[in-house]
Amino acid sequence: GAGVSQSPSNKVTEKGKDVELRCDPISGHTALYWYRQRLGQGLEFLIYFQGNSAPDKSGLPSDRFSAERTGESVSTLTIQRTQQEDSAVYLCASSAGAREQYFGPGTRLTVT
Amino acid sequence: AQSVTQPDIHITVSEGASLELRCNYSYGATPYLFWYVQSPGQGLQLLLKYFSGDTLVQGIKGFEAEFKRSQSSFNLRKPSVHWSDAAEYFCAVGLTGFQKLVFGTGTRLLVSP
Repeated sequence: GAGVSQSPSNKVTEKGKDVELRCDPISGHTALYWYRQRLGQGLEFLIYFQGNSAPDKSGLPSDRFSAERTGESVSTLTIQRTQQEDSAVYLCASSAGAREQYFGPGTRLTVT
Repeated sequence: AQSVTQPDIHITVSEGASLELRCNYSYGATPYLFWYVQSPGQGLQLLLKYFSGDTLVQGIKGFEAEFKRSQSSFNLRKPSVHWSDAAEYFCAVGLTGFQKLVFGTGTRLLVSP
């Protein structure tokens, strides 16, 4: 079946602009995660959604970052007033509850 | 705080040779352990996982990993490396309930002819 999809695959934006990144999880997966991968580094957890529970936002680096998810479907990660240090690959993953996570191909964000 | 250490940033292995990638974790209990592989421009693909039970786990593409509680390690192995195995490998620890994964910084594998 279809895997996790993310759009856009690449995004170049000017410093100070807002960006929205989209994630379509695997159908039926109740949990959705966002991670950030800076160049040459491992993945940093950003936020986690599980069903209708309150999201775990403990990894969001600043209040410029926010994310939404409607039900068990699409999620959007928004970064306001982008900074150069926001340049990274943003990866989305989904899982069927407490099971292994399946990752999308990521969105490469470049802030100029 | 939980942490994962992958001490080798780069490893070069000759094609056909054996491979071992090291992973150590710091956690107060036995965590859930994962190895993922990331090829250039690709997302992460799950190679194998350890939840409980047999400490030697088999994964895809001929990989295996062994959980050693006494050493807080979960090293990845492959008996004979293929050129297509060249990629970045990430070890990760799953916290209770899989609410988030803590990743190591990765090991880049280069395969020489």
